[in-house]
Amino acid sequence: AQKVTQAQTEISVVEKEDVTLDCVYETRDTTYYLFWYKQPPSGELVFLIRRNSFDEQNEISGRYSWNFQKSTSSFNFTITASQVVDSAVYFCALRLSNNNAGNMLTFGGGTRLMVKP
Amino acid sequence: GAGVSQTPSNKVTEKGKYVELRCDPISGHTALYWYRQSLGQGPEFLIYFQGTGAADDSGLPNDRFFAVRPEGSVSTLKIQRTERGDSAVYLCASSTRENTEAFFGQGTRLTVV
Repeated sequence: AQKVTQAQTEISVVEKEDVTLDCVYETRDTTYYLFWYKQPPSGELVFLIRRNSFDEQNEISGRYSWNFQKSTSSFNFTITASQVVDSAVYFCALRLSNNNAGNMLTFGGGTRLMVKP
Repeated sequence: GAGVSQTPSNKVTEKGKYVELRCDPISGHTALYWYRQSLGQGPEFLIYFQGTGAADDSGLPNDRFFAVRPEGSVSTLKIQRTERGDSAVYLCASSTRENTEAFFGQGTRLTVV
């Protein structure tokens, strides 16, 4: 069975600080996808990124960056120069890539990020 | 509307009552998913539809929970004899096919009193 662990339940930073959200996953499968979602107070899960298990190249998108390390089964998410609008709950998730798995996601428990002005 | 629509947004019901939660997926999306999110936790998978059929219902907690998608579009999650432990946000998601990102609705917050 798959498992995703987000050890940080809550993080509080001051605006403009950098912050890293940790994600560790467990799976016996060799091919899978990793995701990050943002859940603002409105409740809707907003897709941020998908990473294939074969692609360990780090990715940067504006103030967001992701560090995927297969050796440590981690997929960490860094926000540079945080802003108040980044305040939300962030979820890391895993999905197997075999066709029989559909699109079912296994989520971590989430990290609540509070960015104070 | 371009996104996944869920109704109602909030539902309060008495213990023992029957409830139906509706999900209207993005037009053309063949795959539809239901998840349940308890307070302070991540979403947990309930059931997955490909077209009209339930391809995987392994996440449904017990036989009080049932979901249908009769025409391959709108889906209804049905909960019989509700219990206080059923209180949660029920999220629906849809995707174009099995290997693309799922788009989520805003959820239905169910409170059983």
